[in-house]
Amino acid sequence: AQKITQTQPGMFVQEKEAVTLDCTYDTSDPSYGLFWYKQPSSGEMIFLIYQGSYDQQNATEGRYSLNFQKARKSANLVISASQLGDSAMYFCAMRPASGGSYIPTFGRGTSLIVHP
Amino acid sequence: DAGVIQSPRHEVTEMGQEVTLRCKPISGHDYLFWYRQTMMRGLELLIYFNNNVPIDDSGMPEDRFSAKMPNASFSTLKIQPSEPRDSAVYFCASSWVISTDTQYFGPGTRLTVL
Repeated sequence: AQKITQTQPGMFVQEKEAVTLDCTYDTSDPSYGLFWYKQPSSGEMIFLIYQGSYDQQNATEGRYSLNFQKARKSANLVISASQLGDSAMYFCAMRPASGGSYIPTFGRGTSLIVHP
Repeated sequence: DAGVIQSPRHEVTEMGQEVTLRCKPISGHDYLFWYRQTMMRGLELLIYFNNNVPIDDSGMPEDRFSAKMPNASFSTLKIQPSEPRDSAVYFCASSWVISTDTQYFGPGTRLTVL
């Protein structure tokens, strides 16, 4: 069974500072994908970044980067130069890429508040 | 291209009534997913379809819930009869490839059962 753990229920950061949101996972699948989503107060789920388990390089998308440490089973999201609009819930998710069952698993989320 | 479209955005109904939620996936996407989000349980996958065929419905909570996908551009999630504990936000998402591709979520339907 898969499990995603986000240990930080809430995080605070000053505008323009960088922040790291933690995500650890557990799976027996040899191949999988890791995702981060943002959910602002308006409620929609916005895809941010994807990392494949066999990707050698850490994924980056603009101000978002994924610090993937496979041995530690962690996939932390780093947001550089935080903006007020980054205030939202952030969800880490994982989906197996083999074995026939592609059911995704989501973490419980981390609430990020960016202070001016 | 338009994103995933869901309707209605908000639904308030009384216990015992039938509720139908609708979803139009992104054109060309082969996979469609229905999720439920609550404070207590977080985001749960209810069911997903591949090429209009239900593949895994193990997340459907009970027989009161049913989902259909009559064609590639339309899916429904029906609750009959509805109960207060069904109150949640229901998301529809779609993707091309299931294993590695990103799921794109619709705006969600906020359901309140009184």
